[in-house]
Amino acid sequence: KAGVTQTPRYLIKTRGQQVTLSCSPISGHRSVSWYQQTPGQGLQFLFEYFSETQRNKGNFPGRFSGRQFSNSRSEMNVSTLELGDSALYLCASSLGSRGDAYGYTFGSGTRLTVV
Amino acid sequence: AQSVTQLDSHVSVSEGTPVLLRCNYSSSYSPSLFWYVQHPNKGLQLLLKYTSAATLVKGINGFEAEFKKSETSFHLTKPSAHMSDAAEYFCVVDTGRRALTFGSGTRLQVQP
Repeated sequence: KAGVTQTPRYLIKTRGQQVTLSCSPISGHRSVSWYQQTPGQGLQFLFEYFSETQRNKGNFPGRFSGRQFSNSRSEMNVSTLELGDSALYLCASSLGSRGDAYGYTFGSGTRLTVV
Repeated sequence: AQSVTQLDSHVSVSEGTPVLLRCNYSSSYSPSLFWYVQHPNKGLQLLLKYTSAATLVKGINGFEAEFKKSETSFHLTKPSAHMSDAAEYFCVVDTGRRALTFGSGTRLQVQP
């Protein structure tokens, strides 16, 4: 059974550019969440999607957006990149609408470096 | 609001000795709690989860945790450390809004 797949693994972008990260959940999982991990702030929740609907959003600026497709794959977009956006971005998938009952499976992450 | 506090940022043990990683939680209701492990340059792996069933939860790789409501604690233990256990460990609470709140992490070092 394939795990959560995040692409690309590594990215280097320039300030002001935009970037799109992709996450393919475990087959059959309909919930996808995104997290940002930095040395200073630790792991922080970005947003969660279920059946193509964003159900919850963390405390991040509007430059951070996402979407989910009908096959449950999700993309995250960051526009007008800033140096502080350099981080490991992790995606997690869950089987049902209540992640706490089923648990969350994380991908290996996308390491974004903004220069 | 739900939150977790990991009491030690760094723990060092010798191989073969017990491991104790401490976590306290704050929640207005019975929380769902998790422990995740992150090896260098890797994603997060679920060790175990508590979802209001048995208070003693057994996880993978010999780890277990005990939910103590009276102490608002969810400490992670392992009887005997292995070199491969060296990693960062996160205590996590589900906010109930399909978002996880992570502790600041405990880096476990295992000495030979």
